[in-house]
Amino acid sequence: QKEVEQDPGPLSVPEGAIVSLNCTYSNSAFQYFMWYRQYSRKGPELLMYTYSSGNKEDGRFTAQVDKSSKYISLFIRDSQPSDSATYLCAIGSARQLTFGSGTQLTVLP
Amino acid sequence: GAVVSQHPSRVICKSGTSVKIECRSLDFQATTMFWYRQFPKQSLMLMATSNEGSKATYEQGVEKDKFLINHASLTLSTLTVTSAHPEDSSFYICSARVQIREKLFFGSGTQLSVL
Repeated sequence: QKEVEQDPGPLSVPEGAIVSLNCTYSNSAFQYFMWYRQYSRKGPELLMYTYSSGNKEDGRFTAQVDKSSKYISLFIRDSQPSDSATYLCAIGSARQLTFGSGTQLTVLP
Repeated sequence: GAVVSQHPSRVICKSGTSVKIECRSLDFQATTMFWYRQFPKQSLMLMATSNEGSKATYEQGVEKDKFLINHASLTLSTLTVTSAHPEDSSFYICSARVQIREKLFFGSGTQLSVL
């Protein structure tokens, strides 16, 4: 079992839709949870960072962490074509950070 | 967020030559920098972790003599691909972290093509 599993997608949604991206993890010692957005042939860009259970909101993005279920989600409201990218979850501890395999999202105009 | 600059963004070289990629933290001092390799439509594969002033720690299966990492200062780490071969062609990305709990910031990546 991989330490971090991410829904592989690809995901295609119409503009304005709510997008849900998800990852699960197996190591209960993991305490840092991040979401990155990566455009093609570019470095990942940090979107959200949290280390506690619950929701964290930043504009159209909401990161949700459920430590009891070892499950994290990223919600994108009012999705835009410019949101089309690959989204990576990154979960870890002070010593180790493990990336999900990425979910490719396409938002259709 | 913090800025990590990576150069060059693209390099094409002949087989057998060496290529150096630079990663700089522009507005913060990075105690730790990481180097990744990424194949098309795949996630990041950690190659090595470098701490300023000490030898890099390589992941299993990564040849340290082939991928030389130098982290000479708190703002600069370099990856040198020595005697490059076509199978080394890939997208290489660096990242930097200020302290052990801090966020990870990525460079823009380097596409290496070995002919």
